[in-house]
Amino acid sequence: DGGITQSPKYLFRKEGQNVTLSCEQNLNHDAMYWYRQDPGQGLRLIYYSQIVNDFQKGDIAEGYSVSREKKESFPLTVTSAQKNPTAFYLCASSTGLGGNTIYFGEGSWLTVV
Amino acid sequence: GESVGLHLPTLSVQEGDNSIINCAYSNSASDYFIWYKQESGKGPQFIIDIRSNMDKRQGQRVTVLLNKTVKHLSLQIAATQPGDSAVYFCAENQWTDKLIFGTGTRLQVFP
Repeated sequence: DGGITQSPKYLFRKEGQNVTLSCEQNLNHDAMYWYRQDPGQGLRLIYYSQIVNDFQKGDIAEGYSVSREKKESFPLTVTSAQKNPTAFYLCASSTGLGGNTIYFGEGSWLTVV
Repeated sequence: GESVGLHLPTLSVQEGDNSIINCAYSNSASDYFIWYKQESGKGPQFIIDIRSNMDKRQGQRVTVLLNKTVKHLSLQIAATQPGDSAVYFCAENQWTDKLIFGTGTRLQVFP
C-alpha cells in the first residue's frame, strides 16, 4: 500500500538523550515535512525538505535535526537541546511545495521520562 | 505574520444535522486551501481542497466554500454522523510556499 510510515508509534526518552524518529514514504513525493503537535493544539512546522540533500528550518527547528539522504526517508532527531520534547510528531509529504496536498503519517508519540 | 484561524474551537451538533466549521485567513495572496480531519491519536486526513479560482467545491457529504472578499473558508458536513467527531483543521498556502495550518475546531456529535 502507498503511504507514509512513521516509527516507532510510542517512544520514551530519558532526559539528556537524543532520539530519532523514522519516516518513510513510497508515494514518490519530492517534499517531506515534520510537524509537532502538543495536546489540544495545532500543527507547528519543525523542518521541511523540498528535494534530496536539501532541507530548511521551519518555525520551531531549535533542538531538532534532520537529514534527507534518500527521497523516501526523512528522519527527525530530537536532541537533548530540545527543552520540552514531549509531544506528538507528524511526518508528511507532498509532490512539491505550494498548491499541493500534504499527506500525513499516523504520528509518533514521544514522552520524556 | 500571516495566520489562519478559526472562529469556534468546539462545535457540538446532533446526529443527522448539518455541521458548518469556519476558518478565517489573513493572507490575501493565498491561492490553495485544504480541510483536514484528525481523529484522536492519528494523523490528519485530507478531506477536501479548493483553489482560489473557485467559490465552492463538493465532495461526498462535504462542501467547502471560499469567500475571498472577506477571506473566509467554511466546511459543511451534511447529515453529521458519530464518525465525523474529530478535530478539523483548515490550511492555506501560496503557490510557492508551505502550508499554514489553523488551530483546529473540535466537532462533537451527540445522539
